[in-house]
Amino acid sequence: QVQLVESGGGVVQPGGSLRLSCAASGFRFFNYGMHWVRQAPGKGLEWVAFIEYDESNKYYTDSVKGRFTISRDISNNTLYLQMDSLRAEDTAMYYCAKDRTAVARHFDNWGQGTLVTVSS
Amino acid sequence: EIVLTQSPGTLSLSPGERATLSCRASQSVSNSYLAWYQHKPGQAPRLLIYGASIRATGIPDRFSGSGSGTDFTLTISRLESEDFAVYYCQQYGSSPPLTFGGGTKVEIK
Repeated sequence: QVQLVESGGGVVQPGGSLRLSCAASGFRFFNYGMHWVRQAPGKGLEWVAFIEYDESNKYYTDSVKGRFTISRDISNNTLYLQMDSLRAEDTAMYYCAKDRTAVARHFDNWGQGTLVTVSS
Repeated sequence: EIVLTQSPGTLSLSPGERATLSCRASQSVSNSYLAWYQHKPGQAPRLLIYGASIRATGIPDRFSGSGSGTDFTLTISRLESEDFAVYYCQQYGSSPPLTFGGGTKVEIK
C-alpha cells in the first residue's frame, strides 16, 4: 500500500526558510517521478515542482524558481522541498504526489499535506 | 503555459442527478493528456481520470471523462452523497509547468 507522509511545515517569517520532507513507502521510490503541489487558503491546487525518477531533470513553477529546490534521497525513500526566501504568498498546504508511472506527470497517490504559514 | 478554465464554478445538484463539468484549455492538450481529480476538505486529492477518458484504479463507473483538443468533460452519471466535493482538471501534455484548472465545486442542492 502506497503511503506518502509529509512533514516539516510550520510558521516562518517572510524571508525565512523551511525544508519539507515526504516519506514514501509501499512502492519502488526510485522508479517514479515525484511532485510537490500546494493549495493556498481558499484557492485551488497549484503544481510547484517535479523531479524525474532518475533525477535527470527538475522543474519548477515560475513563482518559486531560484527560491525552492526539490530533491530526493533514494537511500531513505524521501522527497524534499527546500524553501528559501519565503513570501506571504507561499502560505499553503503542501502535498507531495507520486507519478502514476515513471514519467506520467499526473498523480495517483498524494500525501495528507503539511501546512506552511509565512507571517510576521 | 496552458491555462485551464473550469466551469461552472459551483454546481448545485441533488443526489441521483447527473453532473457535467467542463474544462477548457487555452491551447490544444497534446495526446489528450488531461486528468481529473476529486478533492474533499481535509483529505488528499484523488485521481479519477487520466488520458481524458481512462478511469483510474478503483474509480466507480459512474465517473466518465471525454473530450480532446481544448474541450474536456467530466460526467458523474448519478451523484451519490460521497461525490460532493471539488473537482480539478490538470493537463500534462506539455513540458512543465503542469497546470490545474480553478476547480468546480459540486454541492448538495
